[in-house]
Amino acid sequence: ETGVTQTPRHLVMGMTNKKSLKCEQHLGHNAMYWYKQSAKKPLELMFVYSLEERVENNSVPSRFSPECPNSSHLFLHLHTLQPEDSALYLCASSQEGGLGTDTQYFGPGTRLTVL
Amino acid sequence: AQSVTQLDSHVSVSEGTPVLLRCNYSSSYSPSLFWYVQHPNKGLQLLLKYTSAATLVKGINGFEAEFKKSETSFHLTKPSAHMSDAAEYFCVVSWSASQGAQKLVFGQGTRLTINP
Repeated sequence: ETGVTQTPRHLVMGMTNKKSLKCEQHLGHNAMYWYKQSAKKPLELMFVYSLEERVENNSVPSRFSPECPNSSHLFLHLHTLQPEDSALYLCASSQEGGLGTDTQYFGPGTRLTVL
Repeated sequence: AQSVTQLDSHVSVSEGTPVLLRCNYSSSYSPSLFWYVQHPNKGLQLLLKYTSAATLVKGINGFEAEFKKSETSFHLTKPSAHMSDAAEYFCVVSWSASQGAQKLVFGQGTRLTINP
């Protein structure tokens, strides 16, 4: 496979469930990102990992827990979510040069519905 | 602080006519600016980016954008629209955050509709 892949593509869960979203990048990049895309709102950056270390947490509730076991994989663990957490969750990766000019490559997203 | 404003939430043009999607930015630094496109049920794809080189940037699928510092604008254009251009377009400002990671701030998006 090439690029950035995300599984599952669709997920429906109850508020008491625990689930995980998976992202894998096949581009040899050293940084990975989670974004949330809600209807009628701009994309929101949730977490940034650089060299497998979390470097950014944009005031995300603790019911979202990221994990980056290696530079190719990124997970988002979900528990006790709320209906307003229903959204498209996008993963991205980039090769960081420290200049802010790098291109981020996005996966297709996981469409999450919380009942 | 960095921010992006896309001036139109929805643009509708006829096939074969020019496309103009407007974007204004605010940045404390010399900005890097991007345009991404998102087709229905797909992830985001980079159209083009400006990184302080040439102010007129050419991208994929015939799109281009011009960086105008005096107007703090980075409008996206295409001379002739194609039906396949129908999608959501995002203007993005980028800068280097802590520990070398990159931060992106997205505009709210412009939905482009192409009429036959």
